[in-house]
Amino acid sequence: DSGVTQTPKHLITATGQRVTLRCSPRSGDLSVYWYQQSLDQGLQFLIQYYNGEERAKGNILERFSAQQFPDLHSELNLSSLELGDSALYFCASSARSIQGGYTFGSGTRLTVV
Amino acid sequence: QQPVQSPQAVILREGEDAVINCSSSKALYSVHWYRQKHGEAPVFLMILLKGGEQKGHEKISASFNEKKQQSSLYLTASQLSYSGTYFCGTPPNFGNEKLTFGTGTRLTIIP
Repeated sequence: DSGVTQTPKHLITATGQRVTLRCSPRSGDLSVYWYQQSLDQGLQFLIQYYNGEERAKGNILERFSAQQFPDLHSELNLSSLELGDSALYFCASSARSIQGGYTFGSGTRLTVV
Repeated sequence: QQPVQSPQAVILREGEDAVINCSSSKALYSVHWYRQKHGEAPVFLMILLKGGEQKGHEKISASFNEKKQQSSLYLTASQLSYSGTYFCGTPPNFGNEKLTFGTGTRLTIIP
């Protein structure tokens, strides 16, 4: 157990639907990052939150949104889902300094049918 | 822009050595290395900071050359457990926590 908890582990949904992915960071970490990994692809940065505030944004689609709550857990909302949104979605957390690296959660595998 | 890793894939026999390179078109402030086994989350291996440091982790070490804007990961006497995809990650500037990950290198160790 890395200390970063992601739920659900698997999600199968139809095109056009909306889903919410949840992430609880490692205890004490204030930063949360969301990454998308498509089949056999690299890790694409979506968005970062630090202590409740959005800190950095990547190539995140307008159909996607995220937030970080006062208890530091984060949610990634994906709407109007398309087949191409099928991917592994990872959440990672880090301490204030990233010299200790990111700690990744086990990911949510989203399949859009 | 995404760092470019080479080779894209490599197959080695147990006990052989491997070198994985990570090159950036932008200045590098630090370089992270991660290993991801199939179907699992990436796991942090080490961080290289400016200054040409070489860090070690068991039989895995790395170097960082900020002038050449590249880092190399060295795996010596590889073990079956080293199999996986290796990613380098770099921040866009000093003090930035966001990492852009490289294209990845798939390493397969066979008995």
